[in-house]
Order: sequence, then structure tokens, then C-alpha cells
Amino acid sequence: QKEVEQNSGPLSVPEGAIASLNCTYSDRVSQSFFWYRQYSGKSPELIMSIYSNGDKEDGRFTAQLNKASQYVSLLIRDSQPSDSATYLCAVISGTYKYIFGTGTRLKVLA
Amino acid sequence: EAQVTQNPRYLITVTGKKLTVTCSQNMNHEYMSWYRQDPGLGLRQIYYSMNVEVTDKGDVPEGYKVSRKEKRNFPLILESPSPNQTSLYFCASSFRETGLSANVLTFGAGSRLTVL
Repeated sequence: QKEVEQNSGPLSVPEGAIASLNCTYSDRVSQSFFWYRQYSGKSPELIMSIYSNGDKEDGRFTAQLNKASQYVSLLIRDSQPSDSATYLCAVISGTYKYIFGTGTRLKVLA
Repeated sequence: EAQVTQNPRYLITVTGKKLTVTCSQNMNHEYMSWYRQDPGLGLRQIYYSMNVEVTDKGDVPEGYKVSRKEKRNFPLILESPSPNQTSLYFCASSFRETGLSANVLTFGAGSRLTVL
């Protein structure tokens, strides 16, 4: 089992729709969870961080964390073509190891 | 401006010719890390450092060396590069605190390395 798993996609959504990205992790003692966005050939940039169970909203983005299910998700409302990118889920494990998933490629269709 | 600076950004070299990719951060971060990114494989950690003189292997350390003599610098050394080390490399840093936004990684712009 991979430590952080994501569906590679591509996930295609029409412009204006909600995009839902999912991630599961294996280390139960993980405390910090992140979503990074990466455009092709560019460095990852932070979209959201979440540290406690529940939802965290920032503009069009909502991160959801469920530690019991070891599941973290990212919702993007009113998706725009500029949101088309690869979204990386990252987790800091109990030994302070930063672990990335392989990423989900999102395509927003105009 | 707070940033992580990598050099060179682009490099084409030949098999066996030693090279160093430098990484420097100006945010007083304790944690620094090197990743390589290949199509379909995501970001894979090469080495990381919790603080000065403290380094540890990541998932793909073979063929690489690092050192952390100063807090701000974390160079990646390829003693004898081979074609399978052709990749996009990222350096990143953060504070080392759990449960706080301080542990968000800041990435460098990336270094695209081609080994012929």
C-alpha cells in the first residue's frame, strides 16, 4: 500500500462545476495535511493546509479531513480553466517525513 | 523576498561528470529536502535534513549525496551522473513544527537536469 494515494486522473469537469479530489494516507499518526497545485514544469504551490478533522474553506477551495477514515479531500467550486493543473496531496508522517501522492490531473473544460 | 533559490535551472551534462545543484533559503528554515519528479511517479524524496549537520535518506537516495554545513544551504551532489538521473529536481524548505502553518513547504523553481 502506498503511503499517500491519489487517483491519477485526468479528472475532467466543465467550467463552473465543482471538482472533487480525493486522497488517502496510511500513517494513522499523521497530523499535517496539504494540497499543492502544480502547473506543468513549475514548482508546487500551496493551496490549502488542514490540521484538524472537518472542513476548512478558503475562497473557492474547501479541504476536508477525516482522520478516522484516513481521508483528505479538496473541493474546488466554480472551477475555472485556470484551475487545470495537477493537484498533489501531501502528508507529514509521525516521523516528520513529508510524503506526496503522485497527483491528480484536473482538466476544466471551457 | 522569502524564497528558495536553486541553481542551475537547466543543465545538460554527460555521464560521469560530477555536478552540484545548489539550494539556498533565506527564511531560517530548519527543514530542507530534495525531490525528483518524473512523469507518472510524482515527487520522490531524495534526501532531507532536519537541521545543520543532520541529514537522512529519502526514498530514492542512490547516486546522490547531500551536506548541510549551514542552515541556509543544502546542495545536492551527483558524483557520477547517469542517464537515469535525468529528471526535474526541486529543493524545498520549511520550519519544523507540527500542527502549525509554519511547516508548509516552500519550493524552489526547479532544476531540469539532462544526463547524456
